[in-house]
Amino acid sequence: EIVMTQSPATLSVSPGERATLSCRASQSVSSNLAWYQQRPGQAPRLLIYGASTRATDIPARFSGSGSGTDFTLTISSLQSEDFAVYYCQHYNNWPLTFGGGTKVEIK
Amino acid sequence: EVQLVESGGGLVQPGGSLRLSCAASGFTFSSYSMIWFRQAPGKGLEWVSYITTSGRQIYYADSVRGRFAISRDNAKNSLYLQMNSLRAEDTAVYYCARDGVPGATLGDYWGQGTLVTVSS
Repeated sequence: EIVMTQSPATLSVSPGERATLSCRASQSVSSNLAWYQQRPGQAPRLLIYGASTRATDIPARFSGSGSGTDFTLTISSLQSEDFAVYYCQHYNNWPLTFGGGTKVEIK
Repeated sequence: EVQLVESGGGLVQPGGSLRLSCAASGFTFSSYSMIWFRQAPGKGLEWVSYITTSGRQIYYADSVRGRFAISRDNAKNSLYLQMNSLRAEDTAVYYCARDGVPGATLGDYWGQGTLVTVSS
């Protein structure tokens, strides 16, 4: 099983600032990585797949990068609706696994 | 508009059974593989099970294999999860999701979830 590790666990950022979230896989997942956003009380929403491709209707301020074992999600200028928990998920093989999440909170 | 609506959750005793349903609309259900995920209270996301369009290929997480069974009825645009021998650690919100990105295995649309509580 591939273990996904996200850091930091919590990120405190002021509105308008940049946020950088990390996700590391215990072995290579190539570019088979997705990012999700989960707001309180809501279902997860797909942001990024293929490590760097934005999903439908996702704003351009969200960008993903990386391949192999190290990945980054960048939110260029945080808006109020972006304060949420973010999860990475690999789909390189079975089982699908998620990182533990990064909570982006208001500083 | 893609919609996924889960139902069937509730309180069940350890060792009991429950059947979750997911009603799909707004897309051609029979053309998409489907996925169940879950999230324990205050915890992260966990993949549970996956089924292809025809139901011929099915995968389970080790934590549920042998106890849970995924199925689908394309004529009814519905996905199911039969859960047997339930344990306290199965307590979670269960989400169904569409596997809608070609070449990837992920949830591009999710339902709002149904809560399953296993407790005596």
